[in-house]
Order: sequence, then C-alpha cells, then structure tokens
Amino acid sequence: AQSVTQLGSHVSVSEGALVLLRCNYSSSVPPYLFWYVQYPNQGLQLLLKYTTGATLVKGINGFEAEFKKSETSFHLTKPSAHMSDAAEYFCAVTPANQAGTALIFGKGTTLSVSS
Amino acid sequence: DGGITQSPKYLFRKEGQNVTLSCEQNLNHDAMYWYRQDPGQGLRLIYYSQIVNDFQKGDIAEGYSVSREKKESFPLTVTSAQKNPTAFYLCASSIVYSNQPQHFGDGTRLSIL
Repeated sequence: AQSVTQLGSHVSVSEGALVLLRCNYSSSVPPYLFWYVQYPNQGLQLLLKYTTGATLVKGINGFEAEFKKSETSFHLTKPSAHMSDAAEYFCAVTPANQAGTALIFGKGTTLSVSS
Repeated sequence: DGGITQSPKYLFRKEGQNVTLSCEQNLNHDAMYWYRQDPGQGLRLIYYSQIVNDFQKGDIAEGYSVSREKKESFPLTVTSAQKNPTAFYLCASSIVYSNQPQHFGDGTRLSIL
C-alpha cells in the first residue's frame, strides 16, 4: 500500500529564508509524486510533479523538488521565501502502474512566513 | 477557460437531511474524484469514477453516495447516515491512465445547523 508522510505539520520561516518542506513516501512500485499548494478556502493548485526522467523538477513560483529513490523522499524547496508563499502544502503519490487513479495525500504542512 | 466548478461554496445541513454537492468539469476528463478535507488530516478519498455509469468507493465512503450519469458531472450526496459531515469537500478530475495531475475545484464547505 502507498503512503505519504510529511514531517512537520507547521513550518515557520522568515522572508528571504530557505523553505524546506519534507515528504517521504512508501510505494511498492515506481511512484508518480506531486506537490500541491492550498490557500485558505480554495482548492489545490499543482506546484510540480515527478513522473519519470530528471529527478530534480522545477515548478511554479520558484519551487523545486528532488526525487531520491534511495531515501524515498521528495522534499520541496525554495531558495528565498516570500510572504505570498504562506499556505498549506500537500505531497501526494500514486503508483505509476495505477496512474489516473486516486492520489494518496500526506496530512499537509502549513508554511508561515514572517517579515 | 476549462476547469472544475463546485457549488455551492457554503452549505448547511439540518439533522436527518440529505444534501447534494455539485461538481461539473469541462476539461473532457474521464476520471472524477471526491475528497474530504478535515484540519490536520489531509485529503481522504470518498468516491471516484473512471467512466460514466461506474464508480468506486474510496477510503471513507460510508454515509455518502454518488452518481455519474454524464461525463461532465459527478454529484456527491451526503446522507443522514453520515454522522459527522462537517468538512471541506473537494472535487477533482484527471485523465485516466496518464501521468497528468489531478485538477481541483474550489471546494464546498459543509456545516451542520
């Protein structure tokens, strides 16, 4: 069975500081991995995805993530936080051989950015 | 613009009442999904459908029902059997058997009167 663990339900950074949100997954087959962002009372917006190929993927708003198979991780980073990055972030996984079926989500990490 | 429309944005349910949440998409996606979101619990799958007139239970289907009579529409009914329905409900759609991501609507917040 697949599962996702997001370490840290709440992360606080200062504006301009590095953002690091951690995601570890469990999957018995090669996974497809996704990061989504959610602003209050809104739906989820895709930040980036890993399916195959290059393990360092770049997304919108300056975010990137690296797929590390040996560590079963897909951590999300951004070199310099902006106030507008404050939101909730979700990591999600689906097995590659079941693509297009439901995603398994982590419990989310709330990012706070202070000035 | 293509997208997913959920309505209403806010919904209130009385005891013993069934309520229906609407989800419509114009992305021409075959698959549609309903998730429930509670604070600190992430998103949990209620039902999903990969084709018209067929749907599958997710992890927390008890107290909910769905239909898929049209490709574009996937309404969710929260029945009186669901004893704790207060939550944020999200509808999503995707291409089946693809590495393309799911697209989400803006959600419906359901509360109990």
